[in-house]
Amino acid sequence: GQQLNQSPQSMFIQEGEDVSMNCTSSSIFNTWLWYKQDPGEGPVLLIALYKAGELTSNGRLTAQFGITRKDSFLNISASIPSDVGIYFCAGLTSGTYKYIFGTGTRLKVLA
Amino acid sequence: DTGVSQDPRHKITKRGQNVTFRCDPISEHNRLYWYRQTLGQGPEFLTYFQNEAQLEKSRLLSDRFSAERPKGSFSTLEIQRTEQGDSAMYLCASSLYMRTPSSGNTIYFGEGSWLTVV
Repeated sequence: GQQLNQSPQSMFIQEGEDVSMNCTSSSIFNTWLWYKQDPGEGPVLLIALYKAGELTSNGRLTAQFGITRKDSFLNISASIPSDVGIYFCAGLTSGTYKYIFGTGTRLKVLA
Repeated sequence: DTGVSQDPRHKITKRGQNVTFRCDPISEHNRLYWYRQTLGQGPEFLTYFQNEAQLEKSRLLSDRFSAERPKGSFSTLEIQRTEQGDSAMYLCASSLYMRTPSSGNTIYFGEGSWLTVV
């Protein structure tokens, strides 16, 4: 099935560093969601974005809805070991109900 | 806990057997979704209900798969004559759809049901 491009695929960072990841699509979306998934668990919603240009924070996490409506970005500041996991973006096209998910960014934080 | 609940969390079955998964959505959520996720991939859409009506099925959902949501509350996903390729995590999600605001588009996932077909 169709999946969005997420970058990077994986990353190893030192504790305390900031992390940036993005998600791109050839389609225009009207909603972007960001999830974190731990091994063997379901995705947990982190941030929801509903308007182009919107910038939303949730603690150390900040996400932006790209102004072209074809991309979204997630930043994690001052990473900690529990940030390890897989981060997924999901986009929704206007008039539909099927979210398209990204391929995931695997984050490993080195203490 | 008032989140999406799935049962069982893990199921190991022999090829050819039937399996059934149950999903209890967040109370009063009118939309319910089933997704499938294989290792290293993001979730892929399988099917979707608005109240008790099943409004779309993905091409990923072969004739061996059937989903129901009889009273517009909990849902079941049955896989008949399981094959090894059915091994995956089956995720249920729900949302409260409203025309506005857009927050009704937000979907919340359960913990998932892992299926291993041996």
